[in-house]
Amino acid sequence: KQEVTQIPAALSVPEGENLVLNCSFTDSAIYNLQWFRQDPGKGLTSLLLIQSSQREQTSGRLNASLDKSSGRSTLYIAASQPGDSATYLCAVPLLGGSEKLVFGKGTKLTVNP
Amino acid sequence: NAGVTQTPKFQVLKTGQSMTLQCAQDMNHNSMYWYRQDPGMGLRLIYYSASEGTTDKGEVPNGYNVSRLNKREFSLRLESAAPSQTSVYFCASSASAVNTEAFFGQGTRLTVV
Repeated sequence: KQEVTQIPAALSVPEGENLVLNCSFTDSAIYNLQWFRQDPGKGLTSLLLIQSSQREQTSGRLNASLDKSSGRSTLYIAASQPGDSATYLCAVPLLGGSEKLVFGKGTKLTVNP
Repeated sequence: NAGVTQTPKFQVLKTGQSMTLQCAQDMNHNSMYWYRQDPGMGLRLIYYSASEGTTDKGEVPNGYNVSRLNKREFSLRLESAAPSQTSVYFCASSASAVNTEAFFGQGTRLTVV
């Protein structure tokens, strides 16, 4: 059974700091890993999708890495801004059903002005 | 570009009442999903539909039924609502096949009293 863990559960940083969010998964036989952002009371917005053959994916100030062999992914946010405050979730496909995602419980990020 | 649209956004039901949550996507996606999100539990898959005409159970299907009305629409029905079904419900879609990105609706906040 695939399990996804995100540590820490919450993180508070001052504006301008670079930060890393962590995601680990128990079964490395994944097709991809997806990072989402969720604002309070809102739905999930896809940030980055990393294919299993990729090591990194970048979008603006965001960089996601994937190490399948160790079952880990990181989301790097450069020069954080108050607008980055949100909950960040990672998700991987369930074993035997690649379209069904298993989610971590998320990291709640607060960027203080 | 609407993406994934859910209705209603908010709903209060009395125990035993029934209701249907509606979801529609305009991205020509084959696969659609219903998740629920609860504090401390994260996102859990209720039902999914890999393609038009097919549906399958997810992690927490009890108390729910679904209908894939056509390629665009995927509805979730609560036949006899219970307080344990108080949650935020999200519909999502993906193009299907392996290595595809999931897109989410804005959610339906349901309270059962």
